[in-house]
Amino acid sequence: ETGVTQTPRHLVMGMTNKKSLKCEQHLGHNAMYWYKQSAKKPLELMFVYSLEERVENNSVPSRFSPECPNSSHLFLHLHTLQPEDSALYLCASSPSGRATEAFFGQGTRLTVV
Amino acid sequence: KQEVTQIPAALSVPEGENLVLNCSFTDSAIYNLQWFRQDPGKGLTSLLLIQSSQREQTSGRLNASLDKSSGRSTLYIAASQPGDSATYLCAVRPTGSNYKLTFGKGTLLTVNP
Repeated sequence: ETGVTQTPRHLVMGMTNKKSLKCEQHLGHNAMYWYKQSAKKPLELMFVYSLEERVENNSVPSRFSPECPNSSHLFLHLHTLQPEDSALYLCASSPSGRATEAFFGQGTRLTVV
Repeated sequence: KQEVTQIPAALSVPEGENLVLNCSFTDSAIYNLQWFRQDPGKGLTSLLLIQSSQREQTSGRLNASLDKSSGRSTLYIAASQPGDSATYLCAVRPTGSNYKLTFGKGTLLTVNP
């Protein structure tokens, strides 16, 4: 187990459902990230929060809505997703700063039906 | 735009062999480079972090080198074991962003008993 915990590990949802992914880190880091990993593609950065403020948003559709209530918790709210949104969603954290090491959670395998 | 390429895409070796995984990146303006391991359907485990001022890092049977000027890094695995079977990913943190990691697609390693 790493210091970054994601729940649930697996999620199947219909296109009209609303669900949320949760990430929690116990490493004392100030920055938290959401990445998407699709088959045959490199990991894509979705959102970055530093000290609970969103600092990067990489042209992600509005059906994905992040929330960072404190420096230890990060959520990804999902609404009216498409089948092509099925992927492994990975949360990561790192200390603030340019040259720091990132630590990842185990991911949530999302399937949209 | 920074791009990261990993060659080969897949590698199969007998147990006990020493092997090298390659990573190249197009822009040498980076803060650091990180190697990760990913088991099927799981998250990423950080293996080694090399800062831009460093030439190599070692951890157990793993040795990673960095030649920033030529845009290359290698991950050397000594005396490979079946438990080393996984996908190995490299990622660079470009300057100009404090947070973004740019990933390659990974090398799928299979070590046969």
